[in-house]
Amino acid sequence: GNSVTQMEGPVTLSEEAFLTINCTYTATGYPSLFWYVQYPGEGLQLLLKATKADDKGSNKGFEATYRKETTSFHLEKGSVQVSDSAVYFCALSTNAGKSTFGDGTTLTVKP
Amino acid sequence: NAGVTQTPKFRILKIGQSMTLQCAQDMNHNYMYWYRQDPGMGLKLIYYSVGAGITDKGEVPNGYNVSRSTTEDFPLRLELAAPSQTSVYFCASSYSTPATSNQPQHFGDGTRLSIL
Repeated sequence: GNSVTQMEGPVTLSEEAFLTINCTYTATGYPSLFWYVQYPGEGLQLLLKATKADDKGSNKGFEATYRKETTSFHLEKGSVQVSDSAVYFCALSTNAGKSTFGDGTTLTVKP
Repeated sequence: NAGVTQTPKFRILKIGQSMTLQCAQDMNHNYMYWYRQDPGMGLKLIYYSVGAGITDKGEVPNGYNVSRSTTEDFPLRLELAAPSQTSVYFCASSYSTPATSNQPQHFGDGTRLSIL
């Protein structure tokens, strides 16, 4: 079956540091890949997505590239802010309309 | 911009009680989902629906029931509450077809349920 493996957290960074959160996946067929963000007390929100190999998703300074050869979709941001503190989920979706989520990575950014 | 609305936001139940978690979406999405999120863990799919009148089990359906009589509403029912069902429950919706996988899910803000 499908699976998503995320870098274990928690991750603690200083403001303006570079962020990488690793995500690898196993799937049959050609999935779409997503990063969601969850702020305290809220539901998940879509951060970015990529729907085919070599696509780059980007939003709010975050980027991730769909790498079919390494089955990866790592999340990066060049300079994090305190407001980026949240839980980040990597996910994939196949044609069945269901998604498979990773376990989430908690990011804390300190001023 | 209501999106996905879940009620109630918080609830405490006694063991053996029953309750229904409500979920409504106003985006005319055909797919709807129920997940539970335990502390420090990811999302586990309880049930999902691909349209009105059609529901199917996810990974962890035991102890729960759902119905989908309209496109907008997808309530989740707990018949005999147990401490193991203490969790945060999220409802989500998306627009999908058998040929597409690129639509994201839209989530409600969750229902925090404690069973004592």
